Amino acid sequence: SAVISQKPSRDICQRGTSLTIQCQVDSQVTMMFWYRQQPGQSLTLIATANQGSEATYESGFVIDKFPISRPNLTFSTLTVSNMSPEDSSIYLCSVPGQGKGGELFFGEGSRLTVL
Amino acid sequence: AQSVTQLDSQVPVFEEAPVELRCNYSSSVSVYLFWYVQYPNQGLQLLLKYLSGSTLVKGINGFEAEFNKSQTSFHLRKPSVHISDTAEYFCAVRGNTGGFKTIFGAGTRLFVKA
Repeated sequence: SAVISQKPSRDICQRGTSLTIQCQVDSQVTMMFWYRQQPGQSLTLIATANQGSEATYESGFVIDKFPISRPNLTFSTLTVSNMSPEDSSIYLCSVPGQGKGGELFFGEGSRLTVL
Repeated sequence: AQSVTQLDSQVPVFEEAPVELRCNYSSSVSVYLFWYVQYPNQGLQLLLKYLSGSTLVKGINGFEAEFNKSQTSFHLRKPSVHISDTAEYFCAVRGNTGGFKTIFGAGTRLFVKA
């Protein structure tokens, strides 16, 4: 299993500002995933962050809005840029397990409220 | 591409009663199937998974699920629920080749009443 720490756990932000979420894993992993969970809804994959290469974004998500860094095998950041109330969500970092099947391990999430 | 449908958005049930949370999936390739649980203000944690072999899989906290290929279903069951099982439950699917991209269902809110 993997232990994942996210910061901040929650924040209240003003419209038009940007916030960077940090994700730290207790072991080296090749892939890290960023998900968004809008209020009362399921998880939507934003992007896959691989160390040493550009992140791969899912349809509907763009790098200008959600820039991602992956400086090493245990750390990643997701920035939510130029925020609007529609960005109010829980943002979750996850990594696949090492065994067959690759179930995901999740951080506790970062709950953002944009006013 | 894969998709997941959780047939119930909310399931209220009395404590010690049995419960079934329904999940159907679609995929053009063979899949791995998962159930995750999310307690209030927490991230998701794995309940159980189906990779291959026996279609009945057992997970943590007394939960089990049955893979039915012909009906493309993976329903979650527990014979007797506790108040502490109140949580959001997500069914998820991943193709068993290629990357780790996982698709989640919309979630089922299980509410256990005393």
